[in-house]
Amino acid sequence: ETGVTQTPRHLVMGMTNKKSLKCEQHLGHNAMYWYKQSAKKPLELMFVYNFKEQTENNSVPSRFSPECPNSSHLFLHLHTLQPEDSALYLCASSRRTGWGETQYFGPGTRLLVL
Amino acid sequence: ILNVEQSPQSLHVQEGDSTNFTCSFPSSNFYALHWYRWETAKSPEALFVMTLNGDEKKKGRISATLNTKEGYSYLYIKGSQPEDSATYLCALVENNRLAFGKGNQVVVIP
Repeated sequence: ETGVTQTPRHLVMGMTNKKSLKCEQHLGHNAMYWYKQSAKKPLELMFVYNFKEQTENNSVPSRFSPECPNSSHLFLHLHTLQPEDSALYLCASSRRTGWGETQYFGPGTRLLVL
Repeated sequence: ILNVEQSPQSLHVQEGDSTNFTCSFPSSNFYALHWYRWETAKSPEALFVMTLNGDEKKKGRISATLNTKEGYSYLYIKGSQPEDSATYLCALVENNRLAFGKGNQVVVIP
């Protein structure tokens, strides 16, 4: 157990649906991240939050909308997704942002868009 | 975007054998390299953070070395066990974020 949980673990949604992914960390960290892993591609950073403020948006389409109400919780709101958005979405946290900081990952949400 | 190459992409190892694989990266502007271990259906788990040229780190039967001048890191598994089966991810720090390679997928055959 890494101390980072994600729900749901699996999600199937249609292109017109709205859904949300949830991440919670119990480590007292101040930075949280969303990553995407598509088949045969490396983990790709989507968003970074540091002390609840978004510090990084890696050119992610607006159909993905993150929310960080406090340092322990991170959401990814999904709206009118495309089939190519099907992927594994991983959440991570660290004490703070910074190059030496170890990131602790959740188990991911496997998303299928039909 | 930093190009992080991991080779081989996948390998099969007989139980009890030792193995190693490589993470290659541009040697300029190096800050740190992270290794993660990712078992199927579980969370990626941090193994090492390496910062200095010549660094060697060890955790049980797994160890790693770092050569920042030539731009590579080796990960070694000594006496592979079935529980070592996983994908090993290498990540380099670029602009204060982690740039990951595609991973080395290791299957240990009993």
